[in-house]
Amino acid sequence: DAGITQSPRHKVTETGTPVTLRCHQTENHRYMYWYRQDPGHGLRLIHYSYGVKDTDKGEVSDGYSVSRSKTEDFLLTLESATSSQTSVYFCAIHLQGTDTQYFGPGTRLTVL
Amino acid sequence: SQQGEEDPQALSIQEGENATMNCSYKTSINNLQWYRQNSGRGLVHLILIRSNEREKHSGRLRVTLDTSKKSSSLLITASRAADTASYFCATDAEGGKLIFGQGTELSVKP
Repeated sequence: DAGITQSPRHKVTETGTPVTLRCHQTENHRYMYWYRQDPGHGLRLIHYSYGVKDTDKGEVSDGYSVSRSKTEDFLLTLESATSSQTSVYFCAIHLQGTDTQYFGPGTRLTVL
Repeated sequence: SQQGEEDPQALSIQEGENATMNCSYKTSINNLQWYRQNSGRGLVHLILIRSNEREKHSGRLRVTLDTSKKSSSLLITASRAADTASYFCATDAEGGKLIFGQGTELSVKP
């Protein structure tokens, strides 16, 4: 068990408010990823990190920022949430020594 | 843009039947993976096939890869109601990234 938790698991917010989602891992994995999942689109990569303070953009990064000040935590921030950011957000880690990823349980975000 | 296109989008079968899902991709790959997602849960890795492999088995799962056609298939034999889930293919990209297809929703009826 790679030990990933996401918080909160559910959140309802209003348009224009800032939102921060947290991904926490317990096993010191270097690479971490944030995806969003929407019907008809599968999973799309938002941002990823390859180490503390090392992050890069993914396919759908507009409107999102990330931070990684500690190995175990990868934060995803929506500076000013919009209804188009209503989605399920998944964090994942790259399992060292493999080519596979391990996923967290997801956060369901609704922006009204 | 997404790498993988999956077919069919939805599949409904009876318990005991085989289920086949297909994935096509666009660029060259080092490996292709299949993941499963139960409703309301995160994705779980099922099986990985490398670009120099043509077929791989794991329990009731059989994956094939045809790099000349840029396509893969996942076969689940003797399906069970518990196999009901969404199945996604994913291809590798630089930086350990994965590019996912849109998924096939499998329903296995008892």
